[in-house]
Amino acid sequence: TQLLEQSPQFLSIQEGENLTVYCNSSSVFSSLQWYRQEPGEGPVLLVTVVTGGEVKKLKRLTFQFGDARKDSSLHITAAQPGDTGLYLCAGAPLGGAQKLVFGQGTRLTINP
Amino acid sequence: GAVVSQHPSRVICKSGTSVKIECRSLDFQATTMFWYRQFPKQSLMLMATSNEGSKATYEQGVEKDKFLINHASLTLSTLTVTSAHPEDSSFYICSARDWTGPIYEQYFGPGTRLTVT
Repeated sequence: TQLLEQSPQFLSIQEGENLTVYCNSSSVFSSLQWYRQEPGEGPVLLVTVVTGGEVKKLKRLTFQFGDARKDSSLHITAAQPGDTGLYLCAGAPLGGAQKLVFGQGTRLTINP
Repeated sequence: GAVVSQHPSRVICKSGTSVKIECRSLDFQATTMFWYRQFPKQSLMLMATSNEGSKATYEQGVEKDKFLINHASLTLSTLTVTSAHPEDSSFYICSARDWTGPIYEQYFGPGTRLTVT
């Protein structure tokens, strides 16, 4: 069974600080997706990373896919209260398996 | 990105009744759709995978006779919670896989909050 370990599970920081969320596995994934979910809503796809070592930036968010495609990180610079939410990483297994493997999620709170 | 809609967004029903939730892919054809359940402050739990025109594949521990899934067209999947009980109260989210691009991308609906009284 493939697992994605996401850390930290909870993070509460002040506005303006930087933070990094990690998503690790012993398995290789063909791609990895990051989602953000707000209370009472469905997850929204932020980014998909495919190539080992790939780095993608989305304004103040930087996503990195590990060289071996087993891990990923999300770095937020100068966090703002609007970044508050549940962040989920999800990996697409090799071989075209249909279902994504989800991490446990990181509940991020940015305090003004 | 692709858009997935879900209806209703909230539903309250009495114990013993059935509730149907619809999931639609609005701007792409989804041969594969997924149904998830989410408990408060937790990640997503996959309930079943549905493929258009065939029977759904249920995850271990999910009662297929209780959670009926139909995926009759490329843009619509439905989840029917039969004989609902208070323990079925939860946040149900559907998702659709977009096969049109070169990489795997999965998009989620806004979710349905089910409360069984």
